[in-house]
Order: sequence, then C-alpha cells, then structure tokens
Amino acid sequence: DARVTQTPRHKVTEMGQEVTMRCQPILGHNTVFWYRQTMMQGLELLAYFRNRAPLDDSGMPKDRFSAEMPDATLATLKIQPSEPRDSAVYFCASGLPPGLYNEQFFGPGTRLTVL
Amino acid sequence: GESVGLHLPTLSVQEGDNSIINCAYSNSASDYFIWYKQESGKGPQFIIDIRSNMDKRQGQRVTVLLNKTVKHLSLQIAATQPGDSAVYFCAENSGGSNYKLTFGKGTLLTVNP
Repeated sequence: DARVTQTPRHKVTEMGQEVTMRCQPILGHNTVFWYRQTMMQGLELLAYFRNRAPLDDSGMPKDRFSAEMPDATLATLKIQPSEPRDSAVYFCASGLPPGLYNEQFFGPGTRLTVL
Repeated sequence: GESVGLHLPTLSVQEGDNSIINCAYSNSASDYFIWYKQESGKGPQFIIDIRSNMDKRQGQRVTVLLNKTVKHLSLQIAATQPGDSAVYFCAENSGGSNYKLTFGKGTLLTVNP
C-alpha cells in the first residue's frame, strides 16, 4: 500500500557533523512537509513544499537547516553543522493539493541523536 | 500567538468503555480539523477530520464533534480497545491557501484490560 518512507530511521552523530534525512512522498502527492517532534515542543512544522517549490520554511533555523526537493520522489532535510539541541524525531508528511479535506500522511520518522 | 491546546494530558480508561479526548483551539479562522493517533515509535496516523461547516462526523468507532461557539473539538472512541492506546493529537488548519497544520501537545490514552 502507498506510504511515505523515510531514511535513515535512526541516526546518531557527533556535534558539528552534517546530517541528511531523506523522504519519499506518496506517489502523486504534490505537497511535502517536514516536522520536528520533541517532548518539550511537540510537533513543529519546519518547512513545506508544493510541486517541489518551497512555500514556507519559516519554522526552520536558516543558518543550519536546509530543505530541498531534487525531484518529485525525493525530499531532503539537511542539518549542517548539527548541534545537540537538534536531537529529535523528524517526520516527513505528504498530501494532495488543498481541497475539501487536507489530510497529511506521515512517514515513520528519523530519530536523530546529536552527541 | 494562537495555538491548539488539550485539556487533559493523560487519560486512562477500561477496555470496553468509551473514551473522550478534548481539544481547545483559539484560531477562529480555522476551518479544518484533524485528529491523529501516534503509537510509540511511529508517525502520526490520520483518524478522522472535520470541516468547520459541520458539527459532527462519524467514522468506524470514532466520532469527532466540533463546537465553534466555544472553539472546542472532541474525539470520541467507542468500546475502547487496548490497541487504541496511543497519543492523540488534534490539529487545525487556518484555511485558505495556507496548508499548514498546527498541532496540539497531545493526550496519552491508556486502555487497561
């Protein structure tokens, strides 16, 4: 069945290292979201794309985070350099064009630990 | 700023009982609401949604009620089962071309056998 996939599922890295997380949205979905989840802040929207163009990245620290969609089947979220406060679960979600109902389908997440 | 919040951070029920999870929202412009279920180690999973032109929507064992007068949303789960144990989030969309969802902090539902 169609689902959002994310890689890697777990990542442990040291402070200062570059981290790249990947997401494959559901085929046919033209809107892709990146969220970060922590115990303290809950689910926070970092950025979202429509038709591969960034629409809103106001939730993302611009100095170290970047999000791209090289093609319709791949979205990436990069952190460079990573910091311990970036430790969280990062979720990708995809959805259809805004319509009557705007459900977002979430991937399994990437659990990032920065030491 | 405006946000979505939950009244109860935890809820414990007996198997077979009905569960009610509540959510308060503050953005009067929100016109679309979703309930998500998140099990441990997994991403949020869609349960049910509702548009602001409706008061009630039913799914399989779940019902969402929307009271726009007091900006309140609830999720009712009938005959709660152990598999319903999870964190439940409400989310709102403020409408228009804005496709962003604002999530509440979540309520942990524990179902006791």
